[in-house]
Amino acid sequence: DTGVSQDPRHKITKRGQNVTFRCDPISEHNRLYWYRQTLGQGPEFLTYFQNEAQLEKSRLLSDRFSAERPKGSFSTLEIQRTEQGDSAMYLCASSLAVGRTAETQYFGPGTRLLVL
Amino acid sequence: DAKTTQPPSMDCAEGRAANLPCNHSTISGNEYVYWYRQIHSQGPQYIIHGLKNNETNEMASLIITEDRKSSTLILPHATLRDTAVYYCIVQYHFGNEKLTFGTGTRLTIIP
Repeated sequence: DTGVSQDPRHKITKRGQNVTFRCDPISEHNRLYWYRQTLGQGPEFLTYFQNEAQLEKSRLLSDRFSAERPKGSFSTLEIQRTEQGDSAMYLCASSLAVGRTAETQYFGPGTRLLVL
Repeated sequence: DAKTTQPPSMDCAEGRAANLPCNHSTISGNEYVYWYRQIHSQGPQYIIHGLKNNETNEMASLIITEDRKSSTLILPHATLRDTAVYYCIVQYHFGNEKLTFGTGTRLTIIP
């Protein structure tokens, strides 16, 4: 257990539905990252926050995806109008950044999404 | 694109040392070498990282060549629970520091 938690661990939904995932980082970590992993591939970066500010978004993050970290603690990742291609493991990681230097990222267990 | 090259798969006998190689010939002076592993259906687990010197912790040892163009992760006494995909990643400690994963090495520990 790294101290990063994600909820739910599994989600099955029908195409066209909206889903929301939550990530709780290690408490003192100010950076939070979202990654997506499809079968047989390594995780791919989606977006990251420093405190409540979303500082970078990948081109993988289409308009149907939105992430928030309203109080600089937990984060949510919402997917609207899900498609079968959204089926993947969604991973959250956190790290401690001091100035421009950030340290090791620790990952949560992931949320596995299946879109039928 | 990942800046590292790893063999797609390796086997190791239980109780023996597992040596996982990684090539990172384009690594820059400020980039660290990180190793993570991912056991089936779990999130990646941090193992170890280093810049220039060899490093050791309770999980593994990391040997980095003097020119820093390659490294080896050593699991000294492999157990069945070490069966996983191992990822070698080079990463700055400045700015974004998003991790760029390749496809890793699938290590299978054989009883």
